[in-house]
Parts: sequence; structure tokens; C-alpha cells
Amino acid sequence: EAGVTQSPTHLIKTRGQQATLRCSPISGHTSVYWYQQALGLGLQFLLWYDEGEERNRGNFPPRFSGRQFPNYSSELNVNALELEDSALYLCASSLAGLAKETQYFGPGTRLLVL
Amino acid sequence: AQKITQTQPGMFVQEKEAVTLDCTYDTSDQSYGLFWYKQPSSGEMIFLIYQGSYDEQNATEGRYSLNFQKARKSANLVISASQLGDSAMYFCAMREGAYGQNFVFGPGTRLSVLP
Repeated sequence: EAGVTQSPTHLIKTRGQQATLRCSPISGHTSVYWYQQALGLGLQFLLWYDEGEERNRGNFPPRFSGRQFPNYSSELNVNALELEDSALYLCASSLAGLAKETQYFGPGTRLLVL
Repeated sequence: AQKITQTQPGMFVQEKEAVTLDCTYDTSDQSYGLFWYKQPSSGEMIFLIYQGSYDEQNATEGRYSLNFQKARKSANLVISASQLGDSAMYFCAMREGAYGQNFVFGPGTRLSVLP
């Protein structure tokens, strides 16, 4: 069974540009989560989608947004990129949006903002 | 205040020995979940073990076990018979909230297994 996939693996942008990151969950999973991991730091929760709806978002500015498609895949958009947006962006999926459900992570997208 | 505290930024352990990674958490919820993840240098987060707040037994998964002390709000990870491949960052995480909408990760502990 295929795991969570993310694309692209690496992304280089310049300040002020927009970045789009994509995530495909494990087959059968309806919940998708996005996290930011800046260099040397822990994970910061960004967004949670379940059944196409945004369920919760972390303490990030509105220029971080996303959506979940009918096939449960998801994309994260970061507008007006800033240097400090450089980080590893991890996507995870779970079977449902229940508290006990384990999140399984993808390999991440490394975003570098110059 | 930190919701998840991992007081050991770095740990060393000799191959084949056991090691305990500490995690304390802070929540006022009665229902919550605790997770441990491993992150090798490649960057991918690997799920290790889960403990629900109502689970009476400590969780175990192969060489991993979770020492859950609810009253002390601690959820320490025990790795038995350490292997060189266990060298990685280890994150303790919690999911809480009325419908499990809050996700918090600790700062992590870097484990180095020595030959």
C-alpha cells in the first residue's frame, strides 16, 4: 500500500512569490494535516482538513492557506513568501479525524526562499 | 507554557542497551492521545507508538514501549536493545481538544546510538 506522497520534493522560490505544495494521502484516509518544520526546530501545526473541510488551523498568517479536493488530496499555498518560510513542510494523513487516529507522514517538501 | 516538554535535547546510548526518552505534557482535557515519532536524517516522520488517555495498559510495539504515568502527565518512550539505526530525532506529540483538533509536538530529543 502506498504511503503519503508529497510533491515536489524540493522547491526554490524568491521572496514575494507564491508556492504550492501538494499531498496525496494514504488510500482510504480522509484527513490531511500540514506541518511546518523550520531548520532545527520541532513541528508546528498548520492546517487540518477532513472530508473537504478545514477543521482547524495553527497560529500562522492568512497567507498560508490550502484546500482538500474530493479525492482527499490536498494542496498548501503560501503567498507572498518570506525568507523565514524556508522549512520542511510535512503532510500527514489519518483514517478519520478522530483523536486516536495515528497520523502517517509523507517525506516532505523542502522549501527554500531566497 | 509548553504543552509538550522533552527535557533531553540529546542522548547517547550504547548499542544493545535500553534507553528512556522523557516526555511530559500539559492538558486539561480528559480525552487525549499521545504519540511518539522518529525522524531520521532523511526527514521523514515515522510513527512509533500511541497511548490513549483512557488506556489502562502501557502501549508496546516491538522494541518500543511507552511508560504512561497519567497522574504525573508523563509519557516516556523506552527503547530496548538499541540499534545503530535508532539514531534519530524523537518527537513526543499530543492530540487534544473537544474533537481532537489541537496537535502539539515537543521540541524533540536527538538520540545517538554508539557502537
